[in-house]
Amino acid sequence: GAVVSQHPSRVICKSGTSVKIECRSLDFQATTMFWYRQFPKQSLMLMATSNEGSKATYEQGVEKDKFLINHASLTLSTLTVTSAHPEDSSFYICSARDIRSDTEAFFGQGTRLTVV
Amino acid sequence: GQSLEQPSEVTAVEGAIVQINCTYQTSGFYGLSWYQQHDGGAPTFLSYNALDGLEEKGRFSSFLSRSKGYSYLLLKELQMKDSASYLCAVITGSYIPTFGRGTSLIVHP
Repeated sequence: GAVVSQHPSRVICKSGTSVKIECRSLDFQATTMFWYRQFPKQSLMLMATSNEGSKATYEQGVEKDKFLINHASLTLSTLTVTSAHPEDSSFYICSARDIRSDTEAFFGQGTRLTVV
Repeated sequence: GQSLEQPSEVTAVEGAIVQINCTYQTSGFYGLSWYQQHDGGAPTFLSYNALDGLEEKGRFSSFLSRSKGYSYLLLKELQMKDSASYLCAVITGSYIPTFGRGTSLIVHP
């Protein structure tokens, strides 16, 4: 199947700093990428949908100035958590949809963010 | 709005058959997917149903009834490695998957 690479897998940062998470589709082009947040034993909560070359669409309740999303190419989307706080600690997962398929999304490995 | 309901936990014995249910209410329904997620890992795609009926893929089968807003994932010949969380996700008009809370499957020897 298609491969999506997410980096870093784990990051610990200090409160007030910013963290960038990268999501790359390695062997296919992804016009659309999704960013999710997952708390322990909870579902994947969609944060935003990013489309290549245009602004991301954020879900209700997600601060666009805090979670900056850039989808600069058909293979790369980035999520930057700005001015991180301990409550931002979570598991962040990206997924990418192959332009050849509308039904299957491929997930990155996830990033465990801990803000201290 | 959308709602998806799954049992929080299911337990079964190695070698047995287990069924994990998912009920949903949504508008603009296109289809329903099932994903497997191990602790600390990323979800992996298992199946997609757009039409009513049963889709079989090896030890895993998925069923959909659009009129009833109901789906299930059937796992046969359970193995210890099948212990994981199983997420159903509805696909709607924008092809954006919305996930349920997941069902934790625990397989005992």
